[in-house]
Amino acid sequence: SAVISQKPSRDICQRGTSLTIQCQVDSQVTMMFWYRQQPGQSLTLIATANQGSEATYESGFVIDKFPISRPNLTFSTLTVSNMSPEDSSIYLCSGKQAYEQYFGPGTRLTVT
Amino acid sequence: EDQVTQSPEALRLQEGESSSLNCSYTVSGLRGLFWYRQDPGKGPEFLFTLYSAGEEKEKERLKATLTKKESFLHITAPKPEDSATYLCAVQAGWNTGKLIFGQGTTLQVKP
Repeated sequence: SAVISQKPSRDICQRGTSLTIQCQVDSQVTMMFWYRQQPGQSLTLIATANQGSEATYESGFVIDKFPISRPNLTFSTLTVSNMSPEDSSIYLCSGKQAYEQYFGPGTRLTVT
Repeated sequence: EDQVTQSPEALRLQEGESSSLNCSYTVSGLRGLFWYRQDPGKGPEFLFTLYSAGEEKEKERLKATLTKKESFLHITAPKPEDSATYLCAVQAGWNTGKLIFGQGTTLQVKP
């Protein structure tokens, strides 16, 4: 199994600022993903983080708002740009390894 | 459109009272059905992946089964520590790895 860590675990940010979330996996994974979990709701995929190339975004999510990097097989970052209160959510990193997919502990973001 | 529906939304059980959680799905080509446990303030914890109708997997008091239209998570003689939200998700394509999640079932087991 893969163990996934995220930094920071939580943050409170001002409207209009940006936050970069880091995701580290302890072993190689074939694919990495970023999900969002809004308060009281289930998980929604933001994008697939591709190593060395642009991420693949789901409908409703754009690169200017959620730039993603994946410089190697075990590390990725998600930036939430020009934040508004509607961006207050839990952001989760995920890694796929063989037939299993693991999640990090999440980053709880509050935008004021 | 690919869709996952879980029922019930919430379930209260007495310790030792067995029950089942349901996950119904419509997907164009199932490539895996995943069950997760999520505790408050934490990320989802992987439990099982099922791939074909008739497949079953077990872990402690949990047993997951799969048919062509739904999956069940059976909880046998639950304990208070089994209290959590259980999430079901489907993977719709081999190459994407994208998971589509249901809304979850929140289980409370009372001593």
